[in-house]
Amino acid sequence: DGGITQSPKYLFRKEGQNVTLSCEQNLNHDAMYWYRQDPGQGLRLIYYSQIVNDFQKGDIAEGYSVSREKKESFPLTVTSAQKNPTAFYLCASKGGNTEAFFGQGTRLTVV
Amino acid sequence: KQEVTQIPAALSVPEGENLVLNCSFTDSAIYNLQWFRQDPGKGLTSLLLIQSSQREQTSGRLNASLDKSSGRSTLYIAASQPGDSATYLCAVRDQAGTALIFGKGTTLSVSS
Repeated sequence: DGGITQSPKYLFRKEGQNVTLSCEQNLNHDAMYWYRQDPGQGLRLIYYSQIVNDFQKGDIAEGYSVSREKKESFPLTVTSAQKNPTAFYLCASKGGNTEAFFGQGTRLTVV
Repeated sequence: KQEVTQIPAALSVPEGENLVLNCSFTDSAIYNLQWFRQDPGKGLTSLLLIQSSQREQTSGRLNASLDKSSGRSTLYIAASQPGDSATYLCAVRDQAGTALIFGKGTTLSVSS
């Protein structure tokens, strides 16, 4: 089955903790993206990567970090520097000028 | 900077009605526009992709149009059903970047 898999579905973070959200795709897409969704705010771009070993900051990159060591994987780390991390996180991938596909999301809650 | 606006923010209709969702964008220099559906607590499902050279795309009861010069797209849903209840998002990929820029969505409720 081709697609994008995000894990875990739910994640709880304590104050001061770093957590990593997983995103894996088997669509052979070059580009991958991380978005954050808050109620009433729409989707905002955190980071994106167009090719392995390269990535760029989006509009709200502060407090987040990413890596792109493999074409299939684009993990997102929410660091302790992110002061308001509670949100729904969505990963997407896209090949060329074709449609983008999204994973099912990870809901992160600070406890 | 590209901005995408969707009106209305929410819409309630009875089953069977035809309806139109609107999307506007401020910079007409786009590569494509994509419509998505999102169910509560779920990811986004792609509905239709319209390239900048195209005027419309159709899939089943859905028809999306694009007027690039005026910065507008519409999603037409024919014979609405309760299962169509969801939030509909439009997003553009503009020529200034590679990522999709999203509107805030229209939440549709179809009553039986």
